[in-house]
Amino acid sequence: KQEVTQIPAALSVPEGENLVLNCSFTDSAIYNLQWFRQDPGKGLTSLLLIQSSQREQTSGRLNASLDKSSGRSTLYIAASQPGDSATYLCAVRDVGAQKLVFGQGTRLTINP
Amino acid sequence: GAVVSQHPSWVICKSGTSVKIECRSLDFQATTMFWYRQFPKQSLMLMATSNEGSKATYEQGVEKDKFLINHASLTLSTLTVTSAHPEDSSFYICSARAPGTIAFLNEQFFGPGTRLTVL
Repeated sequence: KQEVTQIPAALSVPEGENLVLNCSFTDSAIYNLQWFRQDPGKGLTSLLLIQSSQREQTSGRLNASLDKSSGRSTLYIAASQPGDSATYLCAVRDVGAQKLVFGQGTRLTINP
Repeated sequence: GAVVSQHPSWVICKSGTSVKIECRSLDFQATTMFWYRQFPKQSLMLMATSNEGSKATYEQGVEKDKFLINHASLTLSTLTVTSAHPEDSSFYICSARAPGTIAFLNEQFFGPGTRLTVL
């Protein structure tokens, strides 16, 4: 059974810093991996999707990497801003599966 | 990215009544939609997977007679909470899977959520 873990559970950093959020998964037979952000009381916004054959994806100040063999993904946020404050969720879709398996999320706070 | 809408965004109802929540994919056809429930400060809990034109597949522990799901078209799924009780109060989020095209790559998009409060 696939399990997804995100570390740390919460992170607080000053504005302008570069930071890394971690995601690990137990079964490497994944179809794809998605990173989402969720603001309080809101739905999820898809940030990046990495196919199993890919190593990384970039969008603006965000870069997500995937190391399938070691069961790890990282989300790198460059030059953090207060508007980046949110909960970041990592989710994997296993090969042959319909659903996403989510981690518990990292609650990120960027201090001005 | 693609847009998924939910309606209503919040609803307050009396105990014993039924509430219907709509989920629409606005700019793509979704053969598969998902319904989640989220409690405060917790991650999402998948309730059911819905494929257009067929019965929904419910996760273990989710009462299918209480949470009725209909996926009548490629752009609309509905969740009806029947005979709602205060313990059903929660944040319900739907999601739609986009096609496996170059543009969408089977990415999953989420609606803004519906806050249900049962008095």
